[in-house]
Amino acid sequence: GNSVTQMEGPVTLSEEAFLTINCTYTATGYPSLFWYVQYPGEGLQLLLKATKADDKGSNKGFEATYRKETTSFHLEKGSVQVSDSAVYFCALSKRSGGSNYKLTFGKGTLLTVNP
Amino acid sequence: GAGVSQSPSNKVTEKGKDVELRCDPISGHTALYWYRQRLGQGLEFLIYFQGNSAPDKSGLPSDRFSAERTGESVSTLTIQRTQQEDSAVYLCASSQYVTDTQYFGPGTRLTVL
Repeated sequence: GNSVTQMEGPVTLSEEAFLTINCTYTATGYPSLFWYVQYPGEGLQLLLKATKADDKGSNKGFEATYRKETTSFHLEKGSVQVSDSAVYFCALSKRSGGSNYKLTFGKGTLLTVNP
Repeated sequence: GAGVSQSPSNKVTEKGKDVELRCDPISGHTALYWYRQRLGQGLEFLIYFQGNSAPDKSGLPSDRFSAERTGESVSTLTIQRTQQEDSAVYLCASSQYVTDTQYFGPGTRLTVL
């Protein structure tokens, strides 16, 4: 079946540091790939997505590139801010049974950015 | 318009009691999903509704779990005879038909004592 493995946390960085959170996946065919973010006390929000190989998703300074050859979708940001402190989830979606695009999630990575 | 809403935000119940959790999807979104987030775990898919089609119940962990949805509106997730391992945050998401981008509600935190 489908699965997502992401970097274990927690990750603690200083402001303006470079961020990488690794994510690899197992799936047949061509899934769509997502990063979701959960800020403290808030619901899950879509951060970025990519739907085919070599696509780059980007938002709020974060980027991730869909690498089919390495089955990876690593999240990067060049200079993190305190406000980026949150839990980050990597996920994939592959249509199953008609129009069901159920998501398969990694376990999440807690990022703390210190001033 | 408004996002996905869920109620209650928190629910504390005793083992063996039944609970109902409610989800209001974004207006016009025909697809609705329920997920469960247990402590330290990723989200697990529970059930999927699309319009009037038969739901995909393949993620429901036991027959104590059931869900209903009337047309393209509100959905209710029911857990009968709750157990301590049911303690989790239950998240609802909705999306437009045949798209893969889901929008999540704030969740219901269920605690079974």
